[in-house]
Amino acid sequence: SAVISQKPSRDICQRGTSLTIQCQVDSQVTMMFWYRQQPGQSLTLIATANQGSEATYESGFVIDKFPISRPNLTFSTLTVSNMSPEDSSIYLCSVAGALKAEAFFGQGTRLTVV
Amino acid sequence: DAKTTQPPSMDCAEGRAANLPCNHSTISGNEYVYWYRQIHSQGPQYIIHGLKNNETNEMASLIITEDRKSSTLILPHATLRDTAVYYCIVRVSSGNTPLVFGKGTRLSVIA
Repeated sequence: SAVISQKPSRDICQRGTSLTIQCQVDSQVTMMFWYRQQPGQSLTLIATANQGSEATYESGFVIDKFPISRPNLTFSTLTVSNMSPEDSSIYLCSVAGALKAEAFFGQGTRLTVV
Repeated sequence: DAKTTQPPSMDCAEGRAANLPCNHSTISGNEYVYWYRQIHSQGPQYIIHGLKNNETNEMASLIITEDRKSSTLILPHATLRDTAVYYCIVRVSSGNTPLVFGKGTRLSVIA
């Protein structure tokens, strides 16, 4: 199994500021995925981060708002930029397991924008 | 990926079997059925997956109908710690494709 460490676990931020979320994996992985989970909702995929190339964003998510870095095979960051209260959500990173059949998730970052 | 349909919520008495249904009538031949669960305030956790044969592991059993258009996740002896949202996901078996989550079933295990 893959162990994912996500930081911070939670934060309260002022509107208009930005927050960078870190995701560290204990093994090298090709793809990393970032999700958003709004209050009471299911998980929505934000983007796929492949090492050495730009992230691929899903419909409704743009790079200016959610820039992603993927400097190596074990690490990625997601920045939530120019935050508004509507960005209050849990943000999760995910990777595929070594056998590729299952996915592993970090514990999430609970973001509250005030 | 094929779409799945699950009941929004279910209750189960502690110690009894919890049977969670999932419809996936548009599933393709190369798509697997995956089950994940999300306990409150935690990241989703993998439970089990299968292609067409029934599968069992230490957590659960997965029963897939012969036509593969539906499946049932069985938790044989539900405990209070099994209270969670359960997601049925259909996709090809590849680490390069992300999971696409539906709304899932909120299972409440009652003492």
